[in-house]
Amino acid sequence: QMQLVQSGAEVKKAGSSVKVSCRLSGGTFTNSAISWVRQAPGQGLEWMGGVVPMLGIVNYGRKFQGRVTIAADEVATTVHMEVTSLTSEDTAVYYCARDMVLRRGSGVLTMKPGDYWGQGTLVTVSS
Amino acid sequence: DIHITQSPSSLSASVGDRLTISCRASQAIGNSLAWYQQKPGEVPKLLIYAATTLQSGDPSRFSGSGSGTDFTLTISSLQPEDVATYFCLKYDSAPQTFGQGTKVEFK
Repeated sequence: QMQLVQSGAEVKKAGSSVKVSCRLSGGTFTNSAISWVRQAPGQGLEWMGGVVPMLGIVNYGRKFQGRVTIAADEVATTVHMEVTSLTSEDTAVYYCARDMVLRRGSGVLTMKPGDYWGQGTLVTVSS
Repeated sequence: DIHITQSPSSLSASVGDRLTISCRASQAIGNSLAWYQQKPGEVPKLLIYAATTLQSGDPSRFSGSGSGTDFTLTISSLQPEDVATYFCLKYDSAPQTFGQGTKVEFK
């Protein structure tokens, strides 16, 4: 059974950085991409970025470019996400999600997004 | 970037009611739209992908329709366990974008 297992809750000071990890067990990166999604308290879902390890492609949402880094460790089937220059607005539950690659052709990936999710990691930023 | 507008933001209904939730994309996205259900305190769960394909194991009272810019999630007969917030997601290309969410409650 496939699972995404995330690292534990973090409490950080404003201005610092946080790194959250997501380990894929029971599956491989061969047919998987990993997205990061966050949810502030009482708010909706926000896509931050994602990585396609088999292609070495990383994409970021516009508001996160330059402040978020996503990297895959294929040997450990783990994806890490680092957020720098934290503010109180970064207080949220951070999720990783598996996007299944259904087909690949002509530079286009056909996906089934978010079929498995990690348990979430609460990041609290205090001033 | 393509913007997604989801409506309504909330709705109240009774057991057995038929519900529809809409998402509109600012540009055509083919059929690259998914729907998720998130119950309070839980992780989002995939219901529908490729606009119309029901995820394995999900009840058949959930269905999706649409293509291009206009999409709909339909719950044919609302059940007590369907109380949740529903989100759409466009995923044709990066960046992926979620709709604002629709909170479904009982009258």
